[in-house]
Amino acid sequence: GDSVTQMEGPVTLSEEAFLTINCTYTATGYPSLFWYVQYPGEGLQLLLKATKADDKGSNKGFEATYRKETTSFHLEKGSVQVSDSAVYFCALSKGGTSYGKLTFGQGTILTVHP
Amino acid sequence: DAGVIQSPRHEVTEMGQEVTLRCKPISGHNSLFWYRQTMMRGLELLIYFNNNVPIDDSGMPEDRFSAKMPNASFSTLKIQPSEPRDSAVYFCASSLSRDGRFGNGYTFGSGTRLTVV
Repeated sequence: GDSVTQMEGPVTLSEEAFLTINCTYTATGYPSLFWYVQYPGEGLQLLLKATKADDKGSNKGFEATYRKETTSFHLEKGSVQVSDSAVYFCALSKGGTSYGKLTFGQGTILTVHP
Repeated sequence: DAGVIQSPRHEVTEMGQEVTLRCKPISGHNSLFWYRQTMMRGLELLIYFNNNVPIDDSGMPEDRFSAKMPNASFSTLKIQPSEPRDSAVYFCASSLSRDGRFGNGYTFGSGTRLTVV
């Protein structure tokens, strides 16, 4: 079945450091890919998305490129802030007969220190 | 749009009591999902509905859990009887089912934090 694997955390960085969180997937067909973010005490929020190969999703300084050849969707940010501390989830969806069901990775905890 | 609305935000109950969690999806969304989140297991999909019909309930832990969606604007997740191991944050999410292909994903509610003592 479909699956998503994220790099294990937690990840701890200093403010203004470069961030990479790795995500790879296994799926048949042509899934859409997503990154969600969960701040403490809140629900998950869509951070960015990509719907086809070579698409780049971006939002709030975060970027991820849909790489079909490596089945990856790594999240990057050039300069993190303390306010980026949260849990980040990679996910895929195929819609259609899956009714839009999302398959999530296990989440990566990011802590950014001043 | 008010987003996905869940109630209550917090629930503390005694073991053996019945608990009912409520969700109002975004108007026009035709798929609804219930998730449970714990430190040990992360996010677990419990059940999802399309056009008010349960599609997959294989994630429901046991017969103590039941979910209904009587109409397009309301869903409930019930636990009877509740146990301490049911303590978790329960999230509801909704989407347009075709959005998996068009890539809009879910909208999540703020969750219900359940504590069973």
